[in-house]
Amino acid sequence: KQEVTQIPAALSVPEGENLVLNCSFTDSAIYNLQWFRQDPGKGLTSLLLIQSSQREQTSGRLNASLDKSSGRSTLYIAASQPGDSATYLCAARTMKTSYDKVIFGPGTSLSVIP
Amino acid sequence: GAGVSQSPRYKVAKRGQDVALRCDPISGHVSLFWYQQALGQGPEFLTYFQNEAQLDKSGLPSDRFFAERPEGSVSTLKIQRTQQEDSAVYLCASSAIKPKTGFQETQYFGPGTRLLVL
Repeated sequence: KQEVTQIPAALSVPEGENLVLNCSFTDSAIYNLQWFRQDPGKGLTSLLLIQSSQREQTSGRLNASLDKSSGRSTLYIAASQPGDSATYLCAARTMKTSYDKVIFGPGTSLSVIP
Repeated sequence: GAGVSQSPRYKVAKRGQDVALRCDPISGHVSLFWYQQALGQGPEFLTYFQNEAQLDKSGLPSDRFFAERPEGSVSTLKIQRTQQEDSAVYLCASSAIKPKTGFQETQYFGPGTRLLVL
């Protein structure tokens, strides 16, 4: 059974710092790995999706990497801003179903202090 | 275009009451998912529809939970005889299917319904 964990559970940094969020998964047979952002009272917004054949994806100040063999993914946020404050969730799509069944981690709550 | 919408946004129920949560997916999206998100946790899969067919309901926690999508668009998640442990945010997501490959595109999430059972 796929299990996804995230470290740290919470993180508080001053504005401008670079930071790394970690995601681990137990079953390397994944179709893709996706990072989401969740703001309080709102749904999830997809940030980056890495296919199993890829090593990383970049979007603006965000860079996500994937190492299937070690069961790890990282989300790197450069030059953090207060607007980045949110909960960040990673989700692994299993290869064991024909549809997009994803297993979410518990999330990392990020606070960027002005 | 409009995103995924859910109603109500908040629901307070007394233990033992039945509740119905509605999801309006993005128009044309074939796939529809329901998730349950407890406080401080990530969403957990409940059930999946492809059009009107419920292809996976393995995540429904008990037979008190029932979901339907009779016309392949709007979906309703019904919880009978609510219990305090049902308190959570219920998220709905929809996605399209790529016409050439048949693979699913990324899921778009609604804002969720926050259910509190007293």
